[in-house]
Amino acid sequence: DGGITQSPKYLFRKEGQNVTLSCEQNLNHDAMYWYRQDPGQGLRLIYYSQIVNDFQKGDIAEGYSVSREKKESFPLTVTSAQKNPTAFYLCASSKVATYGYTFGSGTRLTVV
Amino acid sequence: QKEVEQDPGPLSVPEGAIVSLNCTYSNSAFQYFMWYRQYSRKGPELLMYTYSSGNKEDGRFTAQVDKSSKYISLFIRDSQPSDSATYLCAIVTSGTYKYIFGTGTRLKVLA
Repeated sequence: DGGITQSPKYLFRKEGQNVTLSCEQNLNHDAMYWYRQDPGQGLRLIYYSQIVNDFQKGDIAEGYSVSREKKESFPLTVTSAQKNPTAFYLCASSKVATYGYTFGSGTRLTVV
Repeated sequence: QKEVEQDPGPLSVPEGAIVSLNCTYSNSAFQYFMWYRQYSRKGPELLMYTYSSGNKEDGRFTAQVDKSSKYISLFIRDSQPSDSATYLCAIVTSGTYKYIFGTGTRLKVLA
């Protein structure tokens, strides 16, 4: 079955540490996205990519980095510069020419 | 003013009730309107998608868009306990893939 796989489901980060969240899709979608979800704030866009080797900052990109070396993969690194990283992170994908995202099941990141 | 406003709830209804969930938006350039359902600790799933004023029906779900009032609604008929989830509205402008999401309304359907 086609879909988006996010891993790990839960992740704990120590102060000053970089961590990488994985996102893989087998839907043959061109566009991929990373969102952060906090209680009462809705989904906020971190980064998005419409084609391989190209990506754009979203509304809250500071303290995060991404790469898009393969169409199927769009990993997100939460760097030590992100001062409040505890949140639920969602990866999504879509066909460029259509609308409607397919979301992964999310990664819950906690700073310890 | 937020681009999209959504009542966070929680909204509790008895099983079988008709549920009305609503969002208002401020930018008349928005053209595409979606409703997502999100169960606890899961990713959202697309329920309804529409791009015109009027109603769109899919089973027990009806999406309604009123562009003149900048108001969108999702109606759930014969609500079930399995409908208990958070419902997110999402709006996007033609030519961009950056959606604007509402904060979500938490719905609880009581058996």
